[in-house]
Amino acid sequence: GAGVSQSPSNKVTEKGKDVELRCDPISGHTALYWYRQSLGQGLEFLIYFQGNSAPDKSGLPSDRFSAERTGGSVSTLTIQRTQQEDSAVYLCASSLNGAGAVAKNIQYFGAGTRLSVL
Amino acid sequence: RKEVEQDPGPFNVPEGATVAFNCTYSNSASQSFFWYRQDCRKEPKLLMSVYSSGNEDGRFTAQLNRASQYISLLIRDSKLSDSATYLCVVRNNAGNMLTFGGGTRLMVKP
Repeated sequence: GAGVSQSPSNKVTEKGKDVELRCDPISGHTALYWYRQSLGQGLEFLIYFQGNSAPDKSGLPSDRFSAERTGGSVSTLTIQRTQQEDSAVYLCASSLNGAGAVAKNIQYFGAGTRLSVL
Repeated sequence: RKEVEQDPGPFNVPEGATVAFNCTYSNSASQSFFWYRQDCRKEPKLLMSVYSSGNEDGRFTAQLNRASQYISLLIRDSKLSDSATYLCVVRNNAGNMLTFGGGTRLMVKP
């Protein structure tokens, strides 16, 4: 079946502009996660959704970052007034459930959106 | 101290070698453990879950030591295609968040 789909795959923007990144999770997966990976670095957790609600927003680096998920499916991550330090690959993952048996919360990743802020 | 720590490497090994990576985690209440593999400029993909009793999948063996809070991955008979970054991943006790180590880079040479 289809995996996690992210768009755009690449985004180049000017400093100060807003950007919107989209994630379409695997059908039936209730949990959705956003991560950021800077060049040569590990994955940084940003936010987690269980259904449409976001019980954990602890990883959002600043108030310029926001995310929403509607209909328990597609999620958008919005970065306002982008800065050069926002340049990174933004990865989305989904899992069948956010808790419970290990197999149900194995996360499957999309290919990411590579954001470059000039 | 980082929650999940790994030696970044790189580990340069010849084909056929056996190589082992360790990973330490700081949260003793962590529930589940995984190894993910990430190829250059690609997304992470699950390699294997790590069970308390240890588990094996072909050439790959994962072990967990809860007392010492470390996880290991052993790769036997390394192939060129094993070249990648291996990410140690820990799930917290609330079950909703994965914490990733910084990864260990493996390069298998002919």
